[in-house]
Amino acid sequence: KAGVTQTPRYLIKTRGQQVTLSCSPISGHRSVSWYQQTPGQGLQFLFEYFSETQRNKGNFPGRFSGRQFSNSRSEMNVSTLELGDSALYLCASRAGGSSTYEQYFGPGTRLTVT
Amino acid sequence: EDQVTQSPEALRLQEGESSSLNCSYTVSGLRGLFWYRQDPGKGPEFLFTLYSAGEEKEKERLKATLTKKESFLHITAPKPEDSATYLCAVPKPGGYQKVTFGTGTKLQVIP
Repeated sequence: KAGVTQTPRYLIKTRGQQVTLSCSPISGHRSVSWYQQTPGQGLQFLFEYFSETQRNKGNFPGRFSGRQFSNSRSEMNVSTLELGDSALYLCASRAGGSSTYEQYFGPGTRLTVT
Repeated sequence: EDQVTQSPEALRLQEGESSSLNCSYTVSGLRGLFWYRQDPGKGPEFLFTLYSAGEEKEKERLKATLTKKESFLHITAPKPEDSATYLCAVPKPGGYQKVTFGTGTKLQVIP
């Protein structure tokens, strides 16, 4: 079974631009979560989508948004990029059933804002 | 405020030298605790979920245990390929995906 895939793997953007990151979960998984990882803050939860609905949201500004499609693929968008948005953005998928809580991470998208 | 604290921040072991990593948490109504391994430039790899105090789980040279206030990841006779950052995480009330991660323990195993 293929794992979680994320595209692109690396991205360089300029301050003020916007960016869209993509995540394809493991086949059959309906829950997708997004995390930001930085050396200073570690892994921080952004939001979770399940069956195209946002179920949970972390403490990030409104510039960070996401969506999920009917095939469970998810996109994350960051508008008006700031230097501090430079990070590894990770997507994680989960089956979504009440008895399965393990989530599986993709390789991440390394975003650099200059 | 929910907190997850991991210690030590970094650990250097000789191959074969067993040790333990600690994850302490202050979360009301613990609903589980996760352990992950992360290699440089990669996403975290799921290792274990522990649900209740007294529970233990093993995988190769790793054994995770859970008490009411902390979890330990015991590494027995480690090998260089065990070198990685080990993360623990605790779900917040309201959603298992809204988890709080610790900052990790960076383990280096020297041949």
